[in-house]
Amino acid sequence: KAGVTQTPRYLIKTRGQQVTLSCSPISGHRSVSWYQQTPGQGLQFLFEYFSETQRNKGNFPGRFSGRQFSNSRSEMNVSTLELGDSALYLCASSSGTPLDTQYFGPGTRLTVL
Amino acid sequence: GIQVEQSPPDLILQEGANSTLRCNFSDSVNNLQWFHQNPWGQLINLFYIPSGTKQNGRLSATTVATERYSLLYISSSQTTDSGVYFCAVGFSGNTPLVFGKGTRLSVIA
Repeated sequence: KAGVTQTPRYLIKTRGQQVTLSCSPISGHRSVSWYQQTPGQGLQFLFEYFSETQRNKGNFPGRFSGRQFSNSRSEMNVSTLELGDSALYLCASSSGTPLDTQYFGPGTRLTVL
Repeated sequence: GIQVEQSPPDLILQEGANSTLRCNFSDSVNNLQWFHQNPWGQLINLFYIPSGTKQNGRLSATTVATERYSLLYISSSQTTDSGVYFCAVGFSGNTPLVFGKGTRLSVIA
């Protein structure tokens, strides 16, 4: 099976812009979770989508949003970018059951100037 | 609140040495995973181990759920083992994984 893919791998934006990141889960997986990783805060959960519905949400401002399509592919959007949004954004896929392993993609490294 | 604590935060080893990484968690868990993050940022699953013991080559892990801790053992370490090791736990239902801050391992030749 192909692994989790994320595009783009690297992105440079300026403050105030918006950005859309994409994640394609492992075939057959219905759950996609997004995480933000920064040196100061570590790995923080953003949100999880399961069967096109947001099932869990972390403690991030409304500038961070996401969606999931019928083929389980997911996108996350960050509007009005701030310098502090510079981070590695990781996507993980799983079957969606609690007792299941999450598999991570290679991440998108976002730099906000 | 929910706590996941990993120790030690940093570890430097000579190639060939053994090590033990610890993960303490504050509540009963239904999901516990160990990951290795390589220098390029990729998180690789090592173990899914909410309880019991598992082994995979030079790596093994033990979770004692009743005492709320998990251990990751690395034997005969190699330079390719360098990176950050994360413990992540799920506490109930479909709640998201909570990650510890990780142990940064450097293996020196």
